[in-house]
Amino acid sequence: DAGVIQSPRHEVTEMGQEVTLRCKPISGHDYLFWYRQTMMRGLELLIYFNNNVPIDDSGMPEDRFSAKMPNASFSTLKIQPSEPRDSAVYFCASSFYRDFSGNTIYFGEGSWLTVV
Amino acid sequence: EDQVTQSPEALRLQEGESSSLNCSYTVSGLRGLFWYRQDPGKGPEFLFTLYSAGEEKEKERLKATLTKKESFLHITAPKPEDSATYLCAVQAGDSSYKLIFGSGTRLLVRP
Repeated sequence: DAGVIQSPRHEVTEMGQEVTLRCKPISGHDYLFWYRQTMMRGLELLIYFNNNVPIDDSGMPEDRFSAKMPNASFSTLKIQPSEPRDSAVYFCASSFYRDFSGNTIYFGEGSWLTVV
Repeated sequence: EDQVTQSPEALRLQEGESSSLNCSYTVSGLRGLFWYRQDPGKGPEFLFTLYSAGEEKEKERLKATLTKKESFLHITAPKPEDSATYLCAVQAGDSSYKLIFGSGTRLLVRP
């Protein structure tokens, strides 16, 4: 299995630009998560989907952030406009329902975002 | 508010020197406590899930234990390849699938 695939792996952009991060979950998984990791705040859940439907977006920091999941094999996280404080590693993760067990959550390699 | 605190922030060990990492938590109804390993430039990799106080899980040189307020990750006779950041996460007792992560312990094992 290819695992969770994220792109781009690295992105450097200027403040004010739009950033789109992409994720392909593991085939057959019905949950998809977007996390952000920083030195200051660690790993934070931004939003998660179940069967392509957003379930909890309470972690999305501002209206500048949006996420979509148009189908079971693709999701995007968009930041518009981007700001330097958005610099972080963004992880996508996927899982399949099994008693809500954390051991079924598989993470991608992350997208390293730097906003200058 | 649900919270996870890990200590120490960083730990340096000599190869073969056993030690323990701590994860303290406050959560409204624990559904599960999870340990992940994260290597530089990689995503977190699942290690263990613990569900109730007194439970223990082992994998190679690692053993995770759980009490009502904290969990320990014991590392026995570590090797340099055990060097990584170890993350603890809890899942609360509501219906959410949300995992709350600690800030991690950076472990360095010197040969």
